[in-house]
Amino acid sequence: EAQVTQNPRYLITVTGKKLTVTCSQNMNHEYMSWYRQDPGLGLRQIYYSMNVEVTDKGDVPEGYKVSRKEKRNFPLILESPSPNQTSLYFCASSSPGQLWGYTFGSGTRLTVV
Amino acid sequence: AQSVTQLDSHVSVSEGTPVLLRCNYSSSYSPSLFWYVQHPNKGLQLLLKYTSAATLVKGINGFEAEFKKSETSFHLTKPSAHMSDAAEYFCVLGGYQKVTFGTGTKLQVIP
Repeated sequence: EAQVTQNPRYLITVTGKKLTVTCSQNMNHEYMSWYRQDPGLGLRQIYYSMNVEVTDKGDVPEGYKVSRKEKRNFPLILESPSPNQTSLYFCASSSPGQLWGYTFGSGTRLTVV
Repeated sequence: AQSVTQLDSHVSVSEGTPVLLRCNYSSSYSPSLFWYVQHPNKGLQLLLKYTSAATLVKGINGFEAEFKKSETSFHLTKPSAHMSDAAEYFCVLGGYQKVTFGTGTKLQVIP
């Protein structure tokens, strides 16, 4: 089944403790992206990657890092999480053949206390 | 710069009546437009996409959207609402590198 897999689905952590949210897709998509969803703000792009070793900032990149060492994986790293990063996070992938329509992961609900 | 405006944050309809969710866009390029649905505590699911092959696009679950270039609109419709349609709907403007989401419209379906 074609899908984007995110882990974990739920995470509660403390301020300053580094964490990684994993994202993997099995569709050989070139493009991958991370979004955060907050009430009243919709989805905002954090980082995106056009292909392996090619990443760029989205609209709200502060406090996040990403890497794209393999085509299928695009982890989101929070080096020192803060409470304002409490949010619902989505990973998505796409390709030109999909006219840039995304396939989304199921989401990761992160709480930073 | 590109942008998407969903004109209603909440829409309430009675079961069996038509649904209209409005979306306007702004883009310097020929747009790729999508509608996604998000049910409570779920991820986002693609409803339909505009491919430029036809201005009236049919999606899943009986939804349709019509691309109107002159009005820069891509409104989502369904002839008859079902209880299971209650969800949040996002209009999305896609493209190379940049994808822009609308702020969402919550659809309430009243029995």
